[in-house]
Amino acid sequence: EIVLTQSPGTLSLSPGERATLSCRASQSVSSSYLAWYQQKPGQAPRLLIYGASSRATGIPDRFSGSGSGTDFTLTISRLEPEDFAVYYCQQYGSSPGLTFGGGTKVEIK
Amino acid sequence: QVQLVESGGGVVQPGRSLRLSCAASGFTFSSYGMHWVRQAPGKGLEWVAVIWYDGSNKYYADSVKGRFTISRDNSKNTLYLQMNSLRAEDTAVYYCGGIVVVPAWGQGTLVTVSS
Repeated sequence: EIVLTQSPGTLSLSPGERATLSCRASQSVSSSYLAWYQQKPGQAPRLLIYGASSRATGIPDRFSGSGSGTDFTLTISRLEPEDFAVYYCQQYGSSPGLTFGGGTKVEIK
Repeated sequence: QVQLVESGGGVVQPGRSLRLSCAASGFTFSSYGMHWVRQAPGKGLEWVAVIWYDGSNKYYADSVKGRFTISRDNSKNTLYLQMNSLRAEDTAVYYCGGIVVVPAWGQGTLVTVSS
């Protein structure tokens, strides 16, 4: 089973700042089958990035994903007020199951 | 567009059973493996189970093995999760989903196990 470790656990930033979130896998993620989600309280996770770097439909271009193998990054170029939330990474290339990281909370400083 | 709608959640006593359903539309349901994932209150996301596109293979997380059963009816475009011997720690929002070219998930249904 691939274990995903997200860091930091909490990121305290101000609107307009750049956010860099890390997701490290215990083994190489097959074909970059790595996704990022945003979740706000009381809501379902929202897909932001799939295939490590492809933005999902309707996602603003301030969100970008990068990485391969075992190291992946989600970058929010300039934080908007609505971006303060919890972010999860997920790998979906290692059958049969899926695994999620523990999450990074981006909070207002 | 891909749409997944879960139903069947509610409040149930420990030891009892509950069956969740997930109605799929907007894609060829019978061509894709499908998953259940859950999220306990205030916690992260946990994978629960997967079923192959044709129902030929099923896999479970250790935490639910022997108690939960995943199944599907491709003629009805519906995924199921039969949950038996429920415990307090099964309290969570349950999401159905799959990798339909890209990951796609429903809005979830809340299961509360409490006496």
